[in-house]
Amino acid sequence: EAGVAQSPRYKIIEKRQSVAFWCNPISGHATLYWYQQILGQGPKLLIQFQNNGVVDDSQLPKDRFSAERLKGVDSTLKIQPAKLEDSAVYLCASSTGTVATNEKLFFGSGTQLSVL
Amino acid sequence: DAKTTQPNSMESNEEEPVHLPCNHSTISGTDYIHWYRQLPSQGPEYVIHGLTSNVNNRMASLAIAEDRKSSTLILHRATLRDAAVYYCIPYNAGNNRKLIWGLGTSLAVNP
Repeated sequence: EAGVAQSPRYKIIEKRQSVAFWCNPISGHATLYWYQQILGQGPKLLIQFQNNGVVDDSQLPKDRFSAERLKGVDSTLKIQPAKLEDSAVYLCASSTGTVATNEKLFFGSGTQLSVL
Repeated sequence: DAKTTQPNSMESNEEEPVHLPCNHSTISGTDYIHWYRQLPSQGPEYVIHGLTSNVNNRMASLAIAEDRKSSTLILHRATLRDAAVYYCIPYNAGNNRKLIWGLGTSLAVNP
């Protein structure tokens, strides 16, 4: 079975520019997550979708970050404008149900963002 | 949220067993214990999870203490491919239903 696809793999931008990341979850997976992982730290949940509805976006910096999941399949995460502290790996994950049912998460390889 | 304590790093030799400890003394009675690992330059991958009794799968075994305040992930025969950061994550089944990731244990495997 195909895994979680993310693009681009790497992105370098200057501060105050905008950037977008794309994620295609495993087919049939209802739940999609975006995580931010800063070097040397564990992943931090930014937003969780159940189909095309937002379940949790409590840690999403909404003044600069936005995310959408059209038609409950693909998702995009956007940063506008980017700051130096946004340099991190952005991970997308999906699961069949929710963590509430102890479903395991499947992760993509991530997008490494460098903000100069 | 339950807090976890894991060693920052551990080292093992190839083909030897590895025991990765995790302390989660504030875990609640309904929290499951999930383990994920992250190989270099990859996203995390699921390893195993359990509640009270010991669990086994093709990747590893999970031994949970009787008082549930600690657990140990056991890799029976370490390979070079097992070099990764291992995360122990109590799953909060309450209103705050999310996996809270700590810093994990970085495992080095020597040939």
